[in-house]
Amino acid sequence: DAGVIQSPRHEVTEMGQEVTLRCKPISGHDYLFWYRQTMMRGLELLIYFNNNVPIDDSGMPEDRFSAKMPNASFSTLKIQPSEPRDSAVYFCASSSVGGQYFGPGTRLLVL
Amino acid sequence: AQSVTQPDIHITVSEGASLELRCNYSYGATPYLFWYVQSPGQGLQLLLKYFSGDTLVQGIKGFEAEFKRSQSSFNLRKPSVHWSDAAEYFCAVGAEDNNAGNMLTFGGGTRLMVKP
Repeated sequence: DAGVIQSPRHEVTEMGQEVTLRCKPISGHDYLFWYRQTMMRGLELLIYFNNNVPIDDSGMPEDRFSAKMPNASFSTLKIQPSEPRDSAVYFCASSSVGGQYFGPGTRLLVL
Repeated sequence: AQSVTQPDIHITVSEGASLELRCNYSYGATPYLFWYVQSPGQGLQLLLKYFSGDTLVQGIKGFEAEFKRSQSSFNLRKPSVHWSDAAEYFCAVGAEDNNAGNMLTFGGGTRLMVKP
């Protein structure tokens, strides 16, 4: 298996622009998680899905953030409009029973 | 709710020396326990996991961890550290009653530096 795939790996954008991060989970995994990692705040859970349904989005910082999972093999995290404080590494992870498996992350820089 | 504490933010060891990274958890029942490693610029990689059974768990890259219920600990060990082990290490806990253990609570991480 190719593991969790994320795209893009790096994104540089200007404040106010829309940013879309993409994730393809491991086939057969029924949970998908979005995390954000910064030096100041560490690893934060933003939202997670079970069988494509959002279960808990309490970690989403504000309404500028939204996430979807239209099918079992694809999820997006969107930030609109983006702000400099959104600069971070965003990770997607998927799991069945047995632990979460992380993608390589998207490094986002908002200027 | 469960919680995880990694008391050491930074640890420096010499190459070839032994390593022990500490992890303490808080949870009322038997937890699911994990160790992850994150190399610079990379995602988190699962090193090993404990669900039940033998309390000494072997993982990848020569790491092992021991679950000690009496101490609420799950310390990670390696007998001889290599320079390539320099990374950040995260301990995590899940619970059977929390979405089948899929929801994890992560510790703050321990950054390991290896001296030549």
